[in-house]
Amino acid sequence: LAKTTQPISMDSYEGQEVNITCSHNNIATNDYITWYQQFPSQGPRFIIQGYKTKVTNEVASLFIPADRKSSTLSLPRVSLSDTAVYYCLVGDSVAGNNRKLIWGLGTSLAVNP
Amino acid sequence: DAGITQSPRHKVTETGTPVTLRCHQTENHRYMYWYRQDPGHGLRLIHYSYGVKDTDKGEVSDGYSVSRSKTEDFLLTLESATSSQTSVYFCAIRGGDTGELFFGEGSRLTVL
Repeated sequence: LAKTTQPISMDSYEGQEVNITCSHNNIATNDYITWYQQFPSQGPRFIIQGYKTKVTNEVASLFIPADRKSSTLSLPRVSLSDTAVYYCLVGDSVAGNNRKLIWGLGTSLAVNP
Repeated sequence: DAGITQSPRHKVTETGTPVTLRCHQTENHRYMYWYRQDPGHGLRLIHYSYGVKDTDKGEVSDGYSVSRSKTEDFLLTLESATSSQTSVYFCAIRGGDTGELFFGEGSRLTVL
């Protein structure tokens, strides 16, 4: 089972770009990298998913190097409302049924004014 | 929104009593999951379902049972609640091309 390592916490300021790096040294060939965001008292919410290179959507970008042993979630110009916990997960969530996904403690991002 | 609701949202009960949490979806998705979330732990999978009457255990299934008699409903039962089952419980459904999980708003259970 692919385990991930990410910083426990990060601090930033409004308007800055935030990059959260996740390491997943034993990622398998069929594994995708998926990021979720969780606000207090809410369930996690899907942000972005990728397999290799770069993926961008309206919320974030995901950078994955060629060896896929790490990935970086990039949040452009964060605001106070981006204060949340961010989870990096690795698994075959596309073809599989998510039962083997391991949820760590995530990265607690605090955006300051 | 993914059309997933949990009930009750909050419940306080006493040790030894049975408790049932309900997850209801309007999206007709095949896969449904029950997780618990506790301080110092990531989300942990309790049980999941891959269809009507088809369920399987997750990593922390002891003390819990589930049932899925209809596509839209996935019930989690604590047969005899214990204080260690005080937690926030999240239901999720798997949907989308990416296999992403859509979560309910959570059910906070306190066992005294």
